[in-house]
Formats: sequence, C-alpha cells, structure tokens
Amino acid sequence: EVQLVESGGGLVQPGRSLRLSCAASGFTFDDYAMHWVRQAPGKGLEWVSGISWNSGSIGYADSVKGRFTISRDNAKNSLYLQMNSLRAEDTALYYCAKDPRDSWGESPFDYWGQGTLVTVSS
Amino acid sequence: QSVLTQPPSVSAAPGQKVTISCSGSSSNIGNNYVSWYQQLPGTAPKLLIYDNNKRPSGIPDRFSGSKSGTSATLGITGLQTGDEADYYCGTWDSSLSVYVFGTGTKVTVL
Repeated sequence: EVQLVESGGGLVQPGRSLRLSCAASGFTFDDYAMHWVRQAPGKGLEWVSGISWNSGSIGYADSVKGRFTISRDNAKNSLYLQMNSLRAEDTALYYCAKDPRDSWGESPFDYWGQGTLVTVSS
Repeated sequence: QSVLTQPPSVSAAPGQKVTISCSGSSSNIGNNYVSWYQQLPGTAPKLLIYDNNKRPSGIPDRFSGSKSGTSATLGITGLQTGDEADYYCGTWDSSLSVYVFGTGTKVTVL
C-alpha cells in the first residue's frame, strides 16, 4: 500500500524558514517523480514544485521560485521542501504527491499524503 | 488565479447525474491530458480520472471523463450522498510550464 506521510509544518513568523518532509513507503521511491501541492484554507489546489526520480529535473511555481527548494533522498525514501522567506500567503496545507512517471510534468498525481499545515503569522 | 475555470457548484438528487465542466486554453487542456480529483470533506485529494477518460483501479464506472477542444467534462451518474465533495480538474500548461488546477466544483446531493 502506497503511503505518503508529511511532517514539519507549524506556525512560523513571516520571513523565517521551515523544512517539510515526506516519508514514502509501499512503492519503489526512486522510480518516480514527486511533487508538493498546497491548499490555502478554504481555497483550491496549487502545484508548488516537482522533482524527477534522480533530482535531475526540478520545477517550481512562480509564486515560490527563488524561495523554496525541493529535494529528495532516495536512500531514505524521503522528499523535502525547504521554504525560506515565508510570507502570509504561503499559509496552506502542504501535500506530498506521487507522480506515475519518473519525470515530472504532464502527468497527474496518483497518490497523495494527508498534508502538513504551515501557518505564517506574526 | 487559476487558468482552468469550473462552475462553483452543481447539485442533483440521489440517483441522478451531474456534469462538471473545466474550461481552459490551447496551452493546457487543448494539448495535454486532463485529470480529475475528488476531495471529500477534510481529506486529501484523490485521483479520479486521468488521461482524459481513464479510471484508476477501484474507481467505479459511475465516474467518467471526456475532452473536446479546450474543455473537459467530468460526469457522475447514480449520484450518492458519498459523492458530496469538491472536484478539481488538472492538466499541464505548456506555456507556463506548470501543472494547473481548476477552480474547483462543490457537488451537493439534494
């Protein structure tokens, strides 16, 4: 059974940093691209970032480019999102999502975690 | 602001059919596969339809997808109370080089 478990969310002041983690199990992690998708309270879904199976290809939404960094450790079956210079508009539930292919882009998200909440407020 | 437009809400009685539209452009729906996601209250999204009209294992055939030009449609037949959820379309946008989601549609079973 595919499982994606996010952690690392919490309350953080504007301008500060936070690192999210996603622990994957139930599938061969290094065969697939992975993503972060977020959902602000009461709002819709927004793709944040994607990373290919070997970290060779990475993409970001314009809203986070230059501030967020996605990475993965295939030996630990883990996905990460380093979030710097956080803003109030980054407040959201952050989901880790699996791609059915080894490269990101064009394909859907076939499995999702339950999310970790990030609140940016002073 | 999403580049894919969906109606905010649709509703129907149990057993009836609803359709949800998703309108985009040539840079997204027009030239890429569309997926649909179901988000039950308080839960994570779940893949419902991919590649315009394919259902993942375990998704009942009450759910169907189609695409024509720059629009896509999700259909739900035999509506059940358990279908009350938010539904999102999604696809790759070749011009923006990002994955985009629709604005979301709330389905209510009357």
